[in-house]
Amino acid sequence: EPEVTQTPSHQVTQMGQEVILRCVPISNHLYFYWYRQILGQKVEFLVSFYNNEISEKSEIFDDQFSVERPDGSNFTLKIRSTKLEDSAMYFCASLTSGFLAKNIQYFGAGTRLSVL
Amino acid sequence: GENVEQHPSTLSVQEGDSAVIKCTYSDSASNYFPWYKQELGKRPQLIIDIRSNVGEKKDQRIAVTLNKTAKHFSLHITETQPEDSAVYFCAASLNTGGFKTIFGAGTRLFVKA
Repeated sequence: EPEVTQTPSHQVTQMGQEVILRCVPISNHLYFYWYRQILGQKVEFLVSFYNNEISEKSEIFDDQFSVERPDGSNFTLKIRSTKLEDSAMYFCASLTSGFLAKNIQYFGAGTRLSVL
Repeated sequence: GENVEQHPSTLSVQEGDSAVIKCTYSDSASNYFPWYKQELGKRPQLIIDIRSNVGEKKDQRIAVTLNKTAKHFSLHITETQPEDSAVYFCAASLNTGGFKTIFGAGTRLFVKA
């Protein structure tokens, strides 16, 4: 069964450093998402991406965050200057198409970001 | 924007008993309601979902009900087993724009053998 894959599984960085989290969505999917989950808390929506642009973003997704689909397979989340409070599990998800009203999102295994 | 409330935050049941988790949502335009199970350190896994044109859906020991008027939806697990122990998240999604999904705060279910 196709899966959303994320790399790395764990990223440790110093406060103020830039990080890039990588995702490979399922190949025929058209919508892509990033969510984050602070330890012990709920999954929070960050951003959705369709047709090479952001379709929606939350208030968490400020100017420190950016997303990119640099080629036909990868979808990345960049945090420009990490803060301690950015420490969380970051999940990528993808969805096949809205036209069939089948808005089932498939989640990757996550990247645990630890900011020291 | 959409807000999803989930109760209880923790639920402990004896093996074989039923477990019920309840959620409410705020945006009447939401029309898709998935439930995810998350084991420790793992990704959320979709276990069942319901769309707004349906009032109830069942899959073996798991059932979900939806009351659109009241904006309530619930997860029912019957004949619980220790392997059902996990955190369960309800969520609501709009069938417009980016189809973003808003999650509830989660319910930690403990099934005691």
